[in-house]
Amino acid sequence: DTEVTQTPKHLVMGMTNKKSLKCEQHMGHRAMYWYKQKAKKPPELMFVYSYEKLSINESVPSRFSPECPNSSLLNLHLHALQPEDSALYLCASSPQGAGLNQPQHFGDGTRLSIL
Amino acid sequence: QQQVKQSPQSLIVQKGGISIINCAYENTAFDYFPWYQQFPGKGPALLIAIRPDVSEKKEGRFTISFNKSAKQFSLHIMDSQPGDSATYFCAASIIGSARQLTFGSGTQLTVLP
Repeated sequence: DTEVTQTPKHLVMGMTNKKSLKCEQHMGHRAMYWYKQKAKKPPELMFVYSYEKLSINESVPSRFSPECPNSSLLNLHLHALQPEDSALYLCASSPQGAGLNQPQHFGDGTRLSIL
Repeated sequence: QQQVKQSPQSLIVQKGGISIINCAYENTAFDYFPWYQQFPGKGPALLIAIRPDVSEKKEGRFTISFNKSAKQFSLHIMDSQPGDSATYFCAASIIGSARQLTFGSGTQLTVLP
């Protein structure tokens, strides 16, 4: 079992729907990440939160809206997605601070399918 | 400069054999090199990692070899088992950087029984 928990595991939604992905960690990590992964490809960074503040947005379309309500939770709000947004969405967390080895711990992802 | 090149794309090894996956990087600012293992339907899991101040790190059957001058590092899996069949990603990062990991393209390893 991973220490980063993502829900739901699978999600099918239409292009006009609004849904949210949830990520939770209780390791005391202060950096949290959203990645998108297509089949047979490495994860692609979408967003980075550091101490609950958005620090990196990798030019992600506005139909993806991240939120970090507290240091343990990370949400990704989805609206008006396109079929090409179908992918595995991964959440990760890591310790934060200069000088630290910062291994990222990944959840098992949400498999998203857009109809 | 941010790219990490990984080879081979796929690898088939007999049970008990040695699996070798290679990565090369350009950015000399990278100072942390982890390897991730990903099974189908699962997220990447940290397997082993190395800092550039050492040339080799071993954990069980898994060894990272690091060549700082050549800007290359590799993963060796000794006595490969069918349960090792997975996709392996090398990565590189700069400690303290919020941007974190730059991934290689991945290697799909199949270990035949």
